[in-house]
Amino acid sequence: KNEVEQSPQNLTAQEGEFITINCSYSVGISALHWLQQHPGGGIVSLFMLSSGKKKHGRLIATINIQEKHSSLHITASHPRDSAVYICAVSTRGYGGSQGNLIFGKGTKLSVKP
Amino acid sequence: KAGVTQTPRYLIKTRGQQVTLSCSPISGHRSVSWYQQTPGQGLQFLFEYFSETQRNKGNFPGRFSGRQFSNSRSEMNVSTLELGDSALYLCASSPGTQTGGYTFGSGTRLTVV
Repeated sequence: KNEVEQSPQNLTAQEGEFITINCSYSVGISALHWLQQHPGGGIVSLFMLSSGKKKHGRLIATINIQEKHSSLHITASHPRDSAVYICAVSTRGYGGSQGNLIFGKGTKLSVKP
Repeated sequence: KAGVTQTPRYLIKTRGQQVTLSCSPISGHRSVSWYQQTPGQGLQFLFEYFSETQRNKGNFPGRFSGRQFSNSRSEMNVSTLELGDSALYLCASSPGTQTGGYTFGSGTRLTVV
């Protein structure tokens, strides 16, 4: 069993729909990250969470530490949101170490106009 | 503010050769971590450097090595290349604090023939 599980693996939505991507993890973490990867490979960090909820524009990320679960929501989805969304967790580091990043397999989102 | 710079962007090497990839972090960031991305395995952690010291290492053979210089620039080296080393290699920099997030470079796409 993978230490970080994401669902769904693939998601197709119509423009304007509300989208939810889920992430569950089984290890102790210092933080959880949501990343976005467009074709061509570049990765953008969307959120870093250790508790609660964060919002940036149309994106909302939540985390429940007790249940070891996080969700990424996209409101009013748009074709430019089409990308792979990756959940990753930081294991506990020490000193200046960030620890390891353990990644989920990613969710490929396609938003149709 | 300049981002994370990885060079080269693309590389083709022959089996048995060695390769060196470079990563220049964001100015002031002291932690550099490296990742391998393949279609089969997804993203996997290679190693992390902080203040010229390797702080964490992923589950990769000794053919994969790295170093960090006093200006925080980092290099990774892969010796005796195998076909399975063909991948996108990404580096990320961070301030080196538990509250600092990651900024990823655009990656180096290595093809081993």
